[in-house]
Amino acid sequence: ETGVTQSPTHLIKTRGQQVTLRCSSQSGHNTVSWYQQALGQGPQFIFQYYREEENGRGNFPPRFSGLQFPNYSSELNVNALELDDSALYLCASSLGATRRGGPKQGNEQFFGPGTRLTVL
Amino acid sequence: KQEVTQIPAALSVPEGENLVLNCSFTDSAIYNLQWFRQDPGKGLTSLLLIQSSQREQTSGRLNASLDKSSGRSTLYIAASQPGDSATYLCAVRPGGGSNYKLTFGKGTLLTVNP
Repeated sequence: ETGVTQSPTHLIKTRGQQVTLRCSSQSGHNTVSWYQQALGQGPQFIFQYYREEENGRGNFPPRFSGLQFPNYSSELNVNALELDDSALYLCASSLGATRRGGPKQGNEQFFGPGTRLTVL
Repeated sequence: KQEVTQIPAALSVPEGENLVLNCSFTDSAIYNLQWFRQDPGKGLTSLLLIQSSQREQTSGRLNASLDKSSGRSTLYIAASQPGDSATYLCAVRPGGGSNYKLTFGKGTLLTVNP
């Protein structure tokens, strides 16, 4: 069974630039969630994708956007980077979301190793 | 709005000690609760998942309990080892229509000294 993978591992950008982070879900999973974790904080939910459509969104501005592909891998795009966007970005995969209710009962979310983004 | 609090923020113990980490949440209408481990600069490793209908889950030296009505969960680690040193996070998944996201606490930083 292949686990969740993310790329790149580290990234350094400057304010105003755009960035794309990538995530491959665990084998057999069809749902991907993205989280932002600032230093010393717990992860904050950005959004979730199920079958190539956004299934829910947290309190993040529209310059945070995403995609999910037919193979269930996903991208997180951030435009007009700000210093406060510096964080660890985590991707989590799970099985069997519904359009309204999210992942099916009992399904754990399995996290990737994260991408460390530094904005200068 | 669901809020998750973890106490203590940091804990240092000698090797071999049994210890308890605490997690509390403000909205008891949860779907499940999950405990994670995070090593410095790394992703999250799922330790235990407790469904809202369950009272506890066990895996090896770890035991997690859930008291949904009082909004509390504990993670018990028996016979701690230096390799247990990490940040431990708890997260709740809400019930109802918006149950697709996890709400996390800030974590407890555990150091087990040899």
